[in-house]
Amino acid sequence: GQQLNQSPQSMFIQEGEDVSMNCTSSSIFNTWLWYKQDPGEGPVLLIALYKAGELTSNGRLTAQFGITRKDSFLNISASIPSDVGIYFCAVASNDYKLSFGAGTTVTVRA
Amino acid sequence: DSGVTQTPKHLITATGQRVTLRCSPRSGDLSVYWYQQSLDQGLQFLIHYYNGEERAKGNILERFSAQQFPDLHSELNLSSLELGDSALYFCASSPRPSTDTQYFGPGTRLTVL
Repeated sequence: GQQLNQSPQSMFIQEGEDVSMNCTSSSIFNTWLWYKQDPGEGPVLLIALYKAGELTSNGRLTAQFGITRKDSFLNISASIPSDVGIYFCAVASNDYKLSFGAGTTVTVRA
Repeated sequence: DSGVTQTPKHLITATGQRVTLRCSPRSGDLSVYWYQQSLDQGLQFLIHYYNGEERAKGNILERFSAQQFPDLHSELNLSSLELGDSALYFCASSPRPSTDTQYFGPGTRLTVL
């Protein structure tokens, strides 16, 4: 079953807004990943985090690896219509298995 | 376009049947991973092959099996299909076993009626 708790489950955002989503786990992980899935496509990696406390940006996206290694958040700044999609957090185990959160569905109001 | 191809794109079949899903990894990638995405279970890892050998198994049912061929393409075989097997099945590939360079294909949508 799911090891990760991702919230919120869905969000409606206004174009231009900054938004945030997060993911928590009861276990410690050494790698946290954030993916985006567009309709009809497979997930695409947005950001990978490897070190507790690490803050990494990819354009308007910023993600942080929590100090406890049990959580991570993703921020999207200045939302635009193409930000619509489902965002997943994921953690990696030592045998290269990815475990995904349930996803946050983002819908942008123009 | 990730460079990973999956066929067929859609598959509709009946309970009790057997189907084969095919994945061609990106050129040069030796690792292939299979994932299942369903409404109730979310996105779940099934199995990982590296250069023809099974490397890791996840929550894969005994009715499901996979293999990776010498040309590195992979097939996921699903047998004795049940309604609950309806899902999107994704293949991902990477040059070597990796967590941060898995490139996902567009998926095969399986509907079991």
